[in-house]
Amino acid sequence: QQQVKQSPQSLIVQKGGISIINCAYENTAFDYFPWYQQFPGKGPALLIAIRPDVSEKKEGRFTISFNKSAKQFSLHIMDSQPGDSATYFCAASKGAGNNRKLIWGLGTSLAVNP
Amino acid sequence: NAGVMQNPRHLVRRRGQEARLRCSPMKGHSHVYWYRQLPEEGLKFMVYLQKENIIDESGMPKERFSAEFPKEGPSILRIQQVVRGDSAAYFCASSPGTGSSQPQHFGDGTRLSIL
Repeated sequence: QQQVKQSPQSLIVQKGGISIINCAYENTAFDYFPWYQQFPGKGPALLIAIRPDVSEKKEGRFTISFNKSAKQFSLHIMDSQPGDSATYFCAASKGAGNNRKLIWGLGTSLAVNP
Repeated sequence: NAGVMQNPRHLVRRRGQEARLRCSPMKGHSHVYWYRQLPEEGLKFMVYLQKENIIDESGMPKERFSAEFPKEGPSILRIQQVVRGDSAAYFCASSPGTGSSQPQHFGDGTRLSIL
């Protein structure tokens, strides 16, 4: 089963608008939640990450909101720009020994219209 | 400081041939993860290696797939007797350690096509 569920599958936003992507997880042992941005033909690039002891983290136009009790976290992109058009993935990992393998959502394709 | 380097970027093989995918981690990184991405899907973990050791291969098919990360040289993901279903993008990520403050950095992947 999908351990990390991501929605929506695709999103269209006008330039200057707010893009919101949501993820939910099942395993309460997860302790690290990154968001990655991927452009066509490229590898995922880390955007921002959060740990469950923090409810919100902001870096520039990107904010993660984390709700531990609901087992949900979301990415907010403020003042969305056409250059933000990409696929966004949420992921989760747990510190099982030295192994930090990432469990991924299925991705959200974001298009920002100029 | 060079990022994670993967080669080749594109690889075409016929059914039954072998595919070798290479990954050179970032300088100073001794942890390597391999992931597979099918079209329109997220990434799926395959294998986690530290120098000369396979730590977790739970995501890798038991048949035909193998991985190594020798003391010297790049990490290699090897697929023997490839089949059409092996067509995918294969990504390698490296990190300097295992703490959550030491994120994984990804290469641009190898796109494997099986004819």
